[in-house]
Amino acid sequence: DAGITQSPRHKVTETGTPVTLRCHQTENHRYMYWYRQDPGHGLRLIHYSYGVKDTDKGEVSDGYSVSRSKTEDFLLTLESATSSQTSVYFCAISSQGGYGYTFGSGTRLTVV
Amino acid sequence: DQQVKQNSPSLSVQEGRISILNCDYTNSMFDYFLWYKKYPAEGPTFLISISSIKDKNEDGRFTVFLNKSAKHLSLHIVPSQPGDSAVYFCAASDRGSTLGRLYFGRGTQLTVWP
Repeated sequence: DAGITQSPRHKVTETGTPVTLRCHQTENHRYMYWYRQDPGHGLRLIHYSYGVKDTDKGEVSDGYSVSRSKTEDFLLTLESATSSQTSVYFCAISSQGGYGYTFGSGTRLTVV
Repeated sequence: DQQVKQNSPSLSVQEGRISILNCDYTNSMFDYFLWYKKYPAEGPTFLISISSIKDKNEDGRFTVFLNKSAKHLSLHIVPSQPGDSAVYFCAASDRGSTLGRLYFGRGTQLTVWP
């Protein structure tokens, strides 16, 4: 859908294990973002990238790291998963940043 | 500190009536505003946008109004349909910023009943 794919779509993992979510785009867009959506909090920015190897933190970056070694892939890693990281994670892409994003379909992560 | 606020978590409207969703912002550097719609188990999708040089933008049943002096925008849906039931997110950006970020509100759940 619009050249952006998130994997996996669903994942259940145990507390303390590392988890990596993948966002892949075929649009060659410069900007990529990771958000989490939680009831009552809306969409909160975790990390974003404005180019290969150029990343920055969002509002809720603690416990998360990212990497972007090539334009098409943006990886989000939960270094040691906790129950508070149970959420739906959305990746988004944009060619011009502030003009709007295209979102992926989301990854539902459950940490037990 | 939230720069974009949607103070109504939910709105319920009868089919055929007007739905009005509201959004306030605090950053005077914001010059572009968007609305996204989200159905369950799907990613948000772009609905409509407005530049700060305008005060109104229409697209079919959807109209966005911008009041810069009040730092307020609203989305009007006329007539409302059951398929409009979704979460609506307001977003804003400073297009001059190199960070390329949108700032989102917490969303309003719209329910349109027959």
